[in-house]
Amino acid sequence: DAGITQSPRHKVTETGTPVTLRCHQTENHRYMYWYRQDPGHGLRLIHYSYGVKDTDKGEVSDGYSVSRSKTEDFLLTLESATSSQTSVYFCAIRGQGIGELFFGEGSRLTVL
Amino acid sequence: GIQVEQSPPDLILQEGANSTLRCNFSDSVNNLQWFHQNPWGQLINLFYIPSGTKQNGRLSATTVATERYSLLYISSSQTTDSGVYFCAGFSGNTPLVFGKGTRLSVIA
Repeated sequence: DAGITQSPRHKVTETGTPVTLRCHQTENHRYMYWYRQDPGHGLRLIHYSYGVKDTDKGEVSDGYSVSRSKTEDFLLTLESATSSQTSVYFCAIRGQGIGELFFGEGSRLTVL
Repeated sequence: GIQVEQSPPDLILQEGANSTLRCNFSDSVNNLQWFHQNPWGQLINLFYIPSGTKQNGRLSATTVATERYSLLYISSSQTTDSGVYFCAGFSGNTPLVFGKGTRLSVIA
């Protein structure tokens, strides 16, 4: 067990509403990532963080923002959800240096 | 950025058969991992293997870093091996890049 908790695990929301997904770790790892998984696309990086208040964009960052105010929490926010953001979202963590990546259980988001 | 290609995209096996999954990288990587996504959606770490060979039960993996590929071997497959197998790699501190996966179905 890599000590990663995602919440909520399932959410249904309507187009135009804001949504925040939370990733919490107990490992004190430096790096945290948000990926989305869609059929035919595998896992695609949305945003990542390499320390408190240090974040950067991934390949599919449009429409998403992130925040990391403390080491253990990495938040993903959809300011105004769209149906194209219906997906399964995975958080991942990695330690300092060239370390192994571990995933959370995933959060399934449906935007109606 | 680094491109990752996995083959085959789909594979159907009879229980007890062996298989080899391949992962090619467009550039050198210094971290390579194999994951199994089970039918419930969980991503399970199989191997962390930047180079060389590792074995874990019926599964083994080999990475030839100089030729930019990795292989995952599954021997005596079981129905519980079904799911999607992903490889992923990164170089330096660039985030992990994933292949699109190999979907494996093992039939009893």
